[in-house]
Amino acid sequence: AQRVTQPEKLLSVFKGAPVELKCNYSYSGSPELFWYVQYSRQRLQLLLRHISRESIKGFTADLNKGETSFHLKKPFAQEEDSAMYYCALMNNAGNMLTFGGGTRLMVKP
Amino acid sequence: GAGVSQSPSNKVTEKGKDVELRCDPISGHTALYWYRQSLGQGLEFLIYFQGNSAPDKSGLPSDRFSAERTGGSVSTLTIQRTQQEDSAVYLCASRPTGQGYNSPLHFGNGTRLTVT
Repeated sequence: AQRVTQPEKLLSVFKGAPVELKCNYSYSGSPELFWYVQYSRQRLQLLLRHISRESIKGFTADLNKGETSFHLKKPFAQEEDSAMYYCALMNNAGNMLTFGGGTRLMVKP
Repeated sequence: GAGVSQSPSNKVTEKGKDVELRCDPISGHTALYWYRQSLGQGLEFLIYFQGNSAPDKSGLPSDRFSAERTGGSVSTLTIQRTQQEDSAVYLCASRPTGQGYNSPLHFGNGTRLTVT
């Protein structure tokens, strides 16, 4: 079975502060991990995926297989980063993307 | 191009009625997924289609839920004898399968179902 855990339901920071949204996973295979974001009144969309090793909107995420984590980080939060963030794991068969419970990020001015 | 389209965007129904939710995936996307997003809950996986086939229906919450996909394109999720606990946002997503299992899902805007 595959499982994704996001321990924080709400994370509130001030503009300019560093942000780290935690994600831990459980999966017996080789994980494919993603971060999705949902801004207010918008559809759920891909933010970044581990295989691309990219930085999107200043966010990065590193897969740590030893700690089974895929935390999302940004050094300086912006107000427009306020949104709901979901960590997700795709199984090797490609037939199930499992989401964590989500973390609401609020960036205060 | 056009994204994943879901209809209706909102549906209010009385308890005990049947509802049908529709999803139009992105053209050419062979994989299609349904999720349910309840208030205060995460995204619950319901069912996956590869083409017209759904090999695993175990994610559907009860036998009142069914889904089909015809022509490898449009999918419908049907809920019979709706209950108040069925109230949620139902999300559909699609992705191309020729790019490996790390290709991302593209989501629709969802159908907000309210059972009164």
